[in-house]
Amino acid sequence: GAVVSQHPSWVICKSGTSVKIECRSLDFQATTMFWYRQFPKQSLMLMATSNEGSKATYEQGVEKDKFLINHASLTLSTLTVTSAHPEDSSFYICSAIGTGGNEQFFGPGTRLTVL
Amino acid sequence: GIQVEQSPPDLILQEGANSTLRCNFSDSVNNLQWFHQNPWGQLINLFYIPSGTKQNGRLSATTVATERYSLLYISSSQTTDSGVYFCAVTGDMRFGAGTRLTVKP
Repeated sequence: GAVVSQHPSWVICKSGTSVKIECRSLDFQATTMFWYRQFPKQSLMLMATSNEGSKATYEQGVEKDKFLINHASLTLSTLTVTSAHPEDSSFYICSAIGTGGNEQFFGPGTRLTVL
Repeated sequence: GIQVEQSPPDLILQEGANSTLRCNFSDSVNNLQWFHQNPWGQLINLFYIPSGTKQNGRLSATTVATERYSLLYISSSQTTDSGVYFCAVTGDMRFGAGTRLTVKP
């Protein structure tokens, strides 16, 4: 149980385009989902926290207009990287916490490369 | 915010050896997890352990919340144990820098 999926697993796009990444909890309802960013050989950095039906809470230094997060249902959150630039290239990972729980479960990640 | 420090940063072992990874945190925590990130980037839950001791096969973990540290023990290590081990204070969503483990055959 407690499986989280992400789609796509990797994406290559041109500079200036927008990319949408989906995060789904497959076998549980996720009241809260999180989006992280990880650069090579570094740790995970929290970007934002999203709760179903409400606006996401962004960490300091994360541009909310660039990284749009929508938590439309208890099983789906999306991250859209708008007007992507090469410096946005990174590994993006989502996680989810189930209703009444405290343990986080992570998706497999999405590797974004912006040319 | 809370600080999470892991040691050692890198660890190289011969297959079959045992190891202890440490995670120190700067304040009281309600949620602490250990993860293994495999070479493909997937984070695998090892333990949810805000306090006490848990064991799962060759792995075990202990968190002493009053002294603000947690330990992950790996016994009889295997090459498949290689990867990066993170502890995270998941209430605050703060990850340590990780311990990169390499197990040689």
